[in-house]
Amino acid sequence: QVQLQESGPGLVKPSQTLSLTCTVSGGSIISDDSYWSWIRQYPGKGLEWIGDIYYSGSTHYNPSLKSRPSISLDTSKNQFSLKMNSVTAADTAVYYCAIRRRVKTDYFDSWGQGILVTVSS
Amino acid sequence: QSALTQPPSASGSPGQSVTISCTGTSRDVGAYNYVSWYRQYPAKAPKLIIFEVTERPSGVPDRFSGSRSGNTASLTVSGLQTEDEATYFCSSYAGANNLVFGGGTNLTVL
Repeated sequence: QVQLQESGPGLVKPSQTLSLTCTVSGGSIISDDSYWSWIRQYPGKGLEWIGDIYYSGSTHYNPSLKSRPSISLDTSKNQFSLKMNSVTAADTAVYYCAIRRRVKTDYFDSWGQGILVTVSS
Repeated sequence: QSALTQPPSASGSPGQSVTISCTGTSRDVGAYNYVSWYRQYPAKAPKLIIFEVTERPSGVPDRFSGSRSGNTASLTVSGLQTEDEATYFCSSYAGANNLVFGGGTNLTVL
């Protein structure tokens, strides 16, 4: 059973860059049926898909977020990361990393426990 | 504002059935067989309970079932149990690698 664990700062100042890492254990990030994803959940409970990355390095992002997010992976550490620039209070949320299955299907079947990121000065 | 519309709350008594709707458009729910449902307990991560509109992952009881009519998908929980009290989210593929979620429905078991 693949497990995911988010890490990173819980407090980010407005206009700065949010940086989070997801460590994958129990399986390899080099997997042909897995897209490594970031999702966030606002305090009011709504969920938003941020984007994902395939082991080849191919990325896809939620078009509503414009060019703010950037997802990368480090196969040597079995990790993938999220950076989001120019954050505001509206980016305050619980951030989850998850595995998105997308080969002739589409769903998230493994999630990390989530990490609360607060944007405040 | 979430892309898919769910009722904010639903309720039922133990043993009863309850259905939660998820309304999208012809560009997401109505276009692809990739609707999924997730259950979330407070302070926990969501867990997959339905994928591809009607399919259940291994280990999910058959009390949970999914369906779709046009641009609206539905999750039915039969034989309600107290442990079913949670928040339920739907999601759908929306084309061009995009995916959208519903706003979530708080299910109360009375």
